Amino acid sequence: QSALTQPASVSGSPGQSITISCTGTSSDVGGYNYVSWYQQHPGKAPKLMIYDVSNRPSGVSNRFSGSKSGNTASLTISGLQTEDEADYYCSSYTSNNALVVFGGGTKLTVL
Amino acid sequence: EVQLVQSGAEVKKPGESLKISCKGSGYRFTTYWIGWVRQMAGKGLEWMGIINPGDSDARYSPSFQGQVTISADKSISTAYLQWSSLKASDTAMYYCARFHYYGSGGTDAFDIWGQGTMVTVSS
Repeated sequence: QSALTQPASVSGSPGQSITISCTGTSSDVGGYNYVSWYQQHPGKAPKLMIYDVSNRPSGVSNRFSGSKSGNTASLTISGLQTEDEADYYCSSYTSNNALVVFGGGTKLTVL
Repeated sequence: EVQLVQSGAEVKKPGESLKISCKGSGYRFTTYWIGWVRQMAGKGLEWMGIINPGDSDARYSPSFQGQVTISADKSISTAYLQWSSLKASDTAMYYCARFHYYGSGGTDAFDIWGQGTMVTVSS
């Protein structure tokens, strides 16, 4: 069982917006602004898309945005494109025994 | 170009030992931590541990503590992940990634990833 809870799948049509949630506890997502999001295409290494809840690394499209409310972080992708179809993982610092926790991942399908 | 290059795929038998590597280039290797992440076939990402190449301070996920050893040789900008006795359940893709330690002024995330090393353990 993953420490952070994500929906198994989400889908959207090109041009639409979708949001992926990532729910934790006050020991991780809710307690710190250290949430990051990763995109992984099949057979490829993950790629950092969002760090510190809402910051985009250089080169990442501004169609990707992040936010947090309470113990739930969210990744929003606007203007969906076919190349956005991938798996997305959230991650957070945790003050529990571990240091880093990942979510179980969400498969995004662009219909 | 900042990059992490991992060693090639491995096929091993249960009980054998293994050490895979991750070589950094294009940046000062000792400035950032290196983390290891496991991904079993069709499954999600699992954090295994991280190491500070500067002083070899290593932190492990409770799930992997005692199961693997993370080390680094800063003189050749290389981090390692090793097993002393492999099991079939260690079959997976293993990624190394550059990690900005929380609160260190960076991204607080894994920002550069290696290409992955596939480890297959089968009799």
